[in-house]
Amino acid sequence: QQQVKQSPQSLIVQKGGISIINCAYENTAFDYFPWYQQFPGKGPALLIAIRPDVSEKKEGRFTISFNKSAKQFSLHIMDSQPGDSATYFCAASINNNDMRFGAGTRLTVKP
Amino acid sequence: NAGVTQTPKFQVLKTGQSMTLQCAQDMNHEYMSWYRQDPGMGLRLIHYSVGAGITDQGEVPNGYNVSRSTTEDFPLRLLSAAPSQTSVYFCASRAPAAGELFFGEGSRLTVL
Repeated sequence: QQQVKQSPQSLIVQKGGISIINCAYENTAFDYFPWYQQFPGKGPALLIAIRPDVSEKKEGRFTISFNKSAKQFSLHIMDSQPGDSATYFCAASINNNDMRFGAGTRLTVKP
Repeated sequence: NAGVTQTPKFQVLKTGQSMTLQCAQDMNHEYMSWYRQDPGMGLRLIHYSVGAGITDQGEVPNGYNVSRSTTEDFPLRLLSAAPSQTSVYFCASRAPAAGELFFGEGSRLTVL
């Protein structure tokens, strides 16, 4: 059973729209919550990450919202662009070890 | 700057054959790990190592062996391949006390 549950499995948005991907976790010992972006034929690459002492982190068009009490976190992509089309994975780890990933969301941004 | 290098990129095996997936990193990272990626299941941790001579199991270790004799290399061995091991395998490393994993480009393995 996956320790990090991710939804939706796929997402289609129009150029300029907002993409939202959600993740939920059970283990309250997790202390690091990254999002990875993967393009076809490539390995995943870190997009943005948050630690549980803050509720939001923004880097350019990408924002993580973190709700510790609900054990949920989400990725928001503002002004989505066709170049953002990729698979996105949320993840969680304890002391930077044994990182567990969600099942992934395939995002398609239509021109 | 090579980062994490995996070889081979593609491999086809017959059931029962053995092989080793190679992983090397040139960033002097102590932590290295192996994941497998399957459709609808994300990335699942197979084995990881926090330094030379130290390895530990992840979520799905059965059927795989690892060893870590140097900081740079972390090979993954399949002793008797099974069709269920058909997957894309990723090696990743990170710096001490850092969260970010750096991934290789993957090795696609097909077991017939």
